[in-house]
Amino acid sequence: AAGVIQSPRHLIKEKRETATLKCYPIPRHDTVYWYQQGPGQDPQFLISFYEKMQSDKGSIPDRFSAQQFSDYHSELNMSSLELGDSALYFCASSLAPSLGRPDTQYFGPGTRLTVL
Amino acid sequence: DAKTTQPNSMESNEEEPVHLPCNHSTISGTDYIHWYRQLPSQGPEYVIHGLTSNVNNRMASLAIAEDRKSSTLILHRATLRDAAVYYCILTPNNDMRFGAGTRLTVKP
Repeated sequence: AAGVIQSPRHLIKEKRETATLKCYPIPRHDTVYWYQQGPGQDPQFLISFYEKMQSDKGSIPDRFSAQQFSDYHSELNMSSLELGDSALYFCASSLAPSLGRPDTQYFGPGTRLTVL
Repeated sequence: DAKTTQPNSMESNEEEPVHLPCNHSTISGTDYIHWYRQLPSQGPEYVIHGLTSNVNNRMASLAIAEDRKSSTLILHRATLRDAAVYYCILTPNNDMRFGAGTRLTVKP
């Protein structure tokens, strides 16, 4: 079965550079989520989108922005990169909750960002 | 957000059952109890979720206390591939906030 696709899988950037991470959800999934996981830490929710609109916001820095496109793929844009941005970035997708019942989130393999 | 409390770590022997507890005394009526796990070097993976009644699926069982203030994830026969960090998350929708989970070690 098709899974969540993230690209690139690895990315190395210098401080103060910009980076764009891409996420392609499972076909027919309309909701996308972004998470950041620093070394030895638990995943931290950044932001989510439903039908191209931001649906929830977590601990996303102001230097980061994201959007969801008409084909439901999403991009996380990161500017003025700092050393502390080095982390694994996971994207997940799901169907929106229906009849008040949540749906399962399916996670991608992650993008490992290293900031030098 | 309602808070969950899980042990930092647990150990199990291979092929034995494992009971992973989660306390959530401030759970609200609309919160579902979700369990995800993260295997080494992988993204989190859905395990199971429930609202009030106990739930079973091919991966695990979820036992929910009658007052819903605690729950237990049950792996019926642990395998080495079950070694992971297990997260108990409360949410009324799909928005997952990962706290500090339980690191399960499975010994051969």
